[in-house]
Amino acid sequence: VHLEQPGTEVGKPGSSVKVSCKASGGMFSTYALSWVRQAPGQGLEWMGGIIPILGAPQYAQKFQGRVTIIADESKKTVFMELTSLTSDDTAVYYCARGPPIPVGTERPYPPYYYGMDVWGQGTTVTVSS
Amino acid sequence: DGVMTQSPLSLPVTLGQSASISCTSSQSLVHSDGNTYLNWFHQRPGQSPRRLIYKVSNRDFGVPDRFSGSGSGTVFTLKISRVEAEDVGIYYCMQGTHWPLTFGGGTKVEIK
Repeated sequence: VHLEQPGTEVGKPGSSVKVSCKASGGMFSTYALSWVRQAPGQGLEWMGGIIPILGAPQYAQKFQGRVTIIADESKKTVFMELTSLTSDDTAVYYCARGPPIPVGTERPYPPYYYGMDVWGQGTTVTVSS
Repeated sequence: DGVMTQSPLSLPVTLGQSASISCTSSQSLVHSDGNTYLNWFHQRPGQSPRRLIYKVSNRDFGVPDRFSGSGSGTVFTLKISRVEAEDVGIYYCMQGTHWPLTFGGGTKVEIK
């Protein structure tokens, strides 16, 4: 599977940015797709994820109320929108696909399945006036 | 949130020697389903991370057997035997047992 993201996005302070992630070459609806960000020179931070066939996304509490993740199954694309941008949101935003979920796995699925075994190349989001 | 602590922060190694990275969780990573969800990732400069190890000790496809993961409960280790030049970069552990998924702060491996 290949995850295609735009190279760059720009947003002004106080505005929002919406980043896309298009999957190709593999299954889409039954795998989790997560968003992980990395500020300049910093580590990795999970923001949230969605399993398209289930619909309801999971968010890290830190981003609750500011992030929205949706999936368009017809386009095999996941979107992440982040609102009320500040300079602290300047980062590379990765989408990543989770591992296959074995048939019979009980719900709610463990967070592990929102983890990352395939990564996109990342979108650099710059917040600047 | 589950805090993942890695050590050391920086690890200079000689080519051909071995290296070990430690990852400690603030809470047990044994899930109620019996699995322990601890992964390791490697990120080279300017690249996306790549998963190396999943569920403590399982190597991903294409990962050399020089890489091995071990541990249980709250303490985990990634070992690289016979370090090669391509192994430089930052290594992260990540727990997938508790919400939210959390990463360690990273260990930078460089060649002496």
